[in-house]
Amino acid sequence: LAKTTQPISMDSYEGQEVNITCSHNNIATNDYITWYQQFPSQGPRFIIQGYKTKVTNEVASLFIPADRKSSTLSLPRVSLSDTAVYYCLVGDARGSSNTGKLIFGQGTTLQVKP
Amino acid sequence: DADVTQTPRNRITKTGKRIMLECSQTKGHDRMYWYRQDPGLGLQLIYYSFDVKDINKGEISDGYSVSRQAQAKFSLSLESAIPNQTALYFCATSDRGEQFFGPGTRLTVL
Repeated sequence: LAKTTQPISMDSYEGQEVNITCSHNNIATNDYITWYQQFPSQGPRFIIQGYKTKVTNEVASLFIPADRKSSTLSLPRVSLSDTAVYYCLVGDARGSSNTGKLIFGQGTTLQVKP
Repeated sequence: DADVTQTPRNRITKTGKRIMLECSQTKGHDRMYWYRQDPGLGLQLIYYSFDVKDINKGEISDGYSVSRQAQAKFSLSLESAIPNQTALYFCATSDRGEQFFGPGTRLTVL
């Protein structure tokens, strides 16, 4: 499975837009890009998933360039409650292959300040 | 009620003891997973199961075993607990898409 690289930590202020970029140079043709959010002592929670171009839902947007070697999670107008660890994963979580395994990296710790 | 439940939520045990962590889900998913998380690190996959008769090792299966008693139940056992198995353990389920995680079990091995 493709390895991902993302910043260890980021700081932001309430109301700002936050962009977290993830590198995945060895992404395979069948791989999807998925982002999870984790609060302390809780299980990760799915945020968004995409394959190419742009995906938007009620909490975030995901931008994926044509070469798919990186992706950017965009959180609009963050609040204090968005302080969490954000994980970027690439793999066959869509079930297009027979594993469905998720490989987690260290994630990006986002600290939102008042 | 939570879709994915784990018991116990916290457990302190001694080196050499056998421990079982249990996971139940009401989502009707075929796929279930066990992960462990060490402080400041991401989750590592221990075992995963695609149905009752299909069990697969993950990245760090040594020292662990699992049992899929039914579609809704997936148990993780530590045969002989050791201190470096002290961690937060998560169960997850999926239906070929996103994974849904339980609240976790905090295990301390003294």
